[in-house]
Amino acid sequence: EPEVTQTPSHQVTQMGQEVILRCVPISNHLYFYWYRQILGQKVEFLVSFYNNEISEKSEIFDDQFSVERPDGSNFTLKIRSTKLEDSAMYFCASSEAEAGELFFGEGSRLTVL
Amino acid sequence: AQSVSQHNHHVILSEAASLELGCNYSYGGTVNLFWYVQYPGQHLQLLLKYFSGDPLVKGIKGFEAEFIKSKFSFNLRKPSVQWSDTAEYFCAVTPSGGSYIPTFGRGTSLIVHP
Repeated sequence: EPEVTQTPSHQVTQMGQEVILRCVPISNHLYFYWYRQILGQKVEFLVSFYNNEISEKSEIFDDQFSVERPDGSNFTLKIRSTKLEDSAMYFCASSEAEAGELFFGEGSRLTVL
Repeated sequence: AQSVSQHNHHVILSEAASLELGCNYSYGGTVNLFWYVQYPGQHLQLLLKYFSGDPLVKGIKGFEAEFIKSKFSFNLRKPSVQWSDTAEYFCAVTPSGGSYIPTFGRGTSLIVHP
């Protein structure tokens, strides 16, 4: 069964460092998403990506964040200068169609010290 | 912007007990509704969904949910839970028109004791 894969599963970094979280969406999917969940809080939307550009982003997704699809398979989330409050579980998801079912990766836990 | 409320944050049940997890949303238009589940150490996966038609939808593993439009609710139910149902459950809402981005609730942690 095709699945979304994310790496790394856990990353610990110092405040101010750059972090790149990687995702490989399901190959025939066209819509890609990043969500995050701070411990004990709700799953929050960060950004969606379609046709090689950002289609929507939340107010959380400020200038410190960027996404890229550098090749036909990877979908990355970059945080340029991490802050303590960026510590969270980051979920990548993809879907075949708008408003359809999302398929999620297992998440990347980011810990900023 | 729409929001999703899951009022039960932690639920602890014994096996064979009945389950109902609440989900309410705030959005005045037509919506698509989802319940996702995350078993320990696994990824979020779809449990069931409602787009249109019969407001009582059935999903995997004996779960069902009922869409009550007048109450803006989409509660998840299971008549008899099992230890293997221990997981985190997330309700999500997508407007049918305009932004198609799903909005998630904060999740409900369910622990089922054998």
